[in-house]
Amino acid sequence: NAGVTQTPKFQVLKTGQSMTLQCAQDMNHEYMSWYRQDPGMGLRLIHYSVGAGITDQGEVPNGYNVSRSTTEDFPLRLLSAAPSQTSVYFCASSYSGLKGQESPLHFGNGTRLTVT
Amino acid sequence: AQTVTQSQPEMSVQEAETVTLSCTYDTSESDYYLFWYKQPPSRQMILVIRQEAYKQQNATENRFSVNFQKAAKSFSLKISDSQLGDAAMYFCAYPAGSANDMRFGAGTRLTVKP
Repeated sequence: NAGVTQTPKFQVLKTGQSMTLQCAQDMNHEYMSWYRQDPGMGLRLIHYSVGAGITDQGEVPNGYNVSRSTTEDFPLRLLSAAPSQTSVYFCASSYSGLKGQESPLHFGNGTRLTVT
Repeated sequence: AQTVTQSQPEMSVQEAETVTLSCTYDTSESDYYLFWYKQPPSRQMILVIRQEAYKQQNATENRFSVNFQKAAKSFSLKISDSQLGDAAMYFCAYPAGSANDMRFGAGTRLTVKP
């Protein structure tokens, strides 16, 4: 029972490099999302998806791209990394539920990204 | 703008004692859900407890309970009989729009002293 699988666990990039953070879930959840965690700021939503082919921006989307070609996968792309993107990144998923809000988030184990 | 406020960056409790972590939030909704998540040093995010605003009764999960004051928009987490394994960051959260637009507080770091 894998849940939400996130890779890699750690990554170091140089300014201007690109990379993709991978996220996969095996719970058939409709919702998937990416958050970044910075000290003193909690978790902030970057992008989210309510189903395959549908994505939308969250609170801090600049510098990040996403796509959702399948229910299971939701990769996050950094096209040109900047030091301000140094953070811990979490992928999460949830089911929609009747009211759309009652489902708790299921998180991956996070990726610590450092941009030098 | 931060819509969830945790006013205690750090808290400390003696093992076996009780501690309360504070959280306030801002919403114009009448029915919504509130969550507390725990993040131990392993970095994993773990659901602690969930409260539906429509329900009057405070949620309880073993040693964890909430004090939900809807009119005051307050959602405190009480940990009874604290254990060393309770040491972690605790985040209060609520879904601003949908289940995936979850807004988090800045977190409270709980230390448990033996």
